[in-house]
Amino acid sequence: QVHLVQSGVEVKKPGASVKVSCKASGYRFTTYGVTWVRQAPGQGLAYLGWISAFDGRKKYVQNFQGRITMTTETSTNTAYLELKNLTSDDSAVYYCARADTYGDKVIGYFDSWGQGTLVIVSS
Amino acid sequence: EIVLTQSPATLSLSPGERATLSCRASQNVYSYLAWYQQKPGQAPRLLISDASARAAGVPARFSGSGSGTDFSLTISSLEPEDFAVYYCQQRSSWPDTFGGGTKVEIK
Repeated sequence: QVHLVQSGVEVKKPGASVKVSCKASGYRFTTYGVTWVRQAPGQGLAYLGWISAFDGRKKYVQNFQGRITMTTETSTNTAYLELKNLTSDDSAVYYCARADTYGDKVIGYFDSWGQGTLVIVSS
Repeated sequence: EIVLTQSPATLSLSPGERATLSCRASQNVYSYLAWYQQKPGQAPRLLISDASARAAGVPARFSGSGSGTDFSLTISSLEPEDFAVYYCQQRSSWPDTFGGGTKVEIK
């Protein structure tokens, strides 16, 4: 079955960067995309963007442009999310999820999710 | 971006009762709407895609309906494991957006 396993808790200082990993198994990694969603403590879900594991095509939500980088490593079936210049507002649980993509669009919904990675930004 | 407004924010019901959750979109999203369930400390779980299609393994007591701007998720008879937060999500227009959630709690 499909599994997405994320890296562990990260504690960072303001201004630092964080890189979260998401290792996929149970399906052909390159036939899907990976989306990233975050959830601040006690809050709802916020979409960050997606990356195609097939061709590396990516799209980021405008609010994060310039600070966010999504990559994939097909040799290890792993997706990465890097967020730079962290502030306390970036403290959240970050989720990866699988989604169907085609061309420059996500054409499906998020049918399998990682367990989440807690990122704490504190001085 | 499309705003999804979920109501009510909290629904207090007893096991066995019927739950009806609403999601209203600020623009037409056709049928490109999903519902997710999230329990404390867990990742969201896809329940319904394209407004009314149950995801694999989702019990038949969950049903979705609607199109355009008004959608609903109905749980016909609440089981103890159904008390959770429910989110709607649209993928009609970039960027995908989520509603603020409805918490279904035990009365």
